[in-house]
Amino acid sequence: GAVVSQHPSWVICKSGTSVKIECRSLDFQATTMFWYRQFPKQSLMLMATSNEGSKATYEQGVEKDKFLINHASLTLSTLTVTSAHPEDSSFYICSASGRGGYEQFFGPGTRLTVL
Amino acid sequence: AQSVTQLGSHVSVSEGALVLLRCNYSSSVPPYLFWYVQYPNQGLQLLLKYTTGATLVKGINGFEAEFKKSETSFHLTKPSAHMSDAAEYFCAVSNSGAGSYQLTFGKGTKLSVIP
Repeated sequence: GAVVSQHPSWVICKSGTSVKIECRSLDFQATTMFWYRQFPKQSLMLMATSNEGSKATYEQGVEKDKFLINHASLTLSTLTVTSAHPEDSSFYICSASGRGGYEQFFGPGTRLTVL
Repeated sequence: AQSVTQLGSHVSVSEGALVLLRCNYSSSVPPYLFWYVQYPNQGLQLLLKYTTGATLVKGINGFEAEFKKSETSFHLTKPSAHMSDAAEYFCAVSNSGAGSYQLTFGKGTKLSVIP
């Protein structure tokens, strides 16, 4: 149980385009989802936390207009990188937790490369 | 604020030798503690967790960790390293904020296993 998927697993796009990454909880209701960014050989950096039906809470320094997060249902959250640039290239990982749950279940990650 | 310190960004052990990965944390409230493993280009897999109760926690793949409150430590051990243990390991502490349990990660320790 507690499986989280991400799609796509990798994506290459041109500078200036927008990219959407999906995060799905497959076998539980995810009341809270988290989006992380990981640079090579570094730890995970929390970008934002989203609760189903509410606006996401962004961490300091994360541009909310650039990284649009939607958590419209209890099984799906999306991260849209708008007007992507090469510096947005990174590994993006989502996680999800259920109602009252303290444990986060992680997706397999999405590798974004912006040319 | 919570923080996690992982001593040693890179640890090398011989196959069959003891694995010891160190983690110290700071927390103003009783913490939930986690160890995750990450293989290249993959998401995080939970090895083990401590919430309450027994301070020696056993996880998957033969790993265990002991919560020592007096030392604010949660070191990860495995009696005998296997080649498949080579990966990046992250220690994390959880706190409850704004209704969600956000994780604070250490910087990670890369484990190399020498044949």
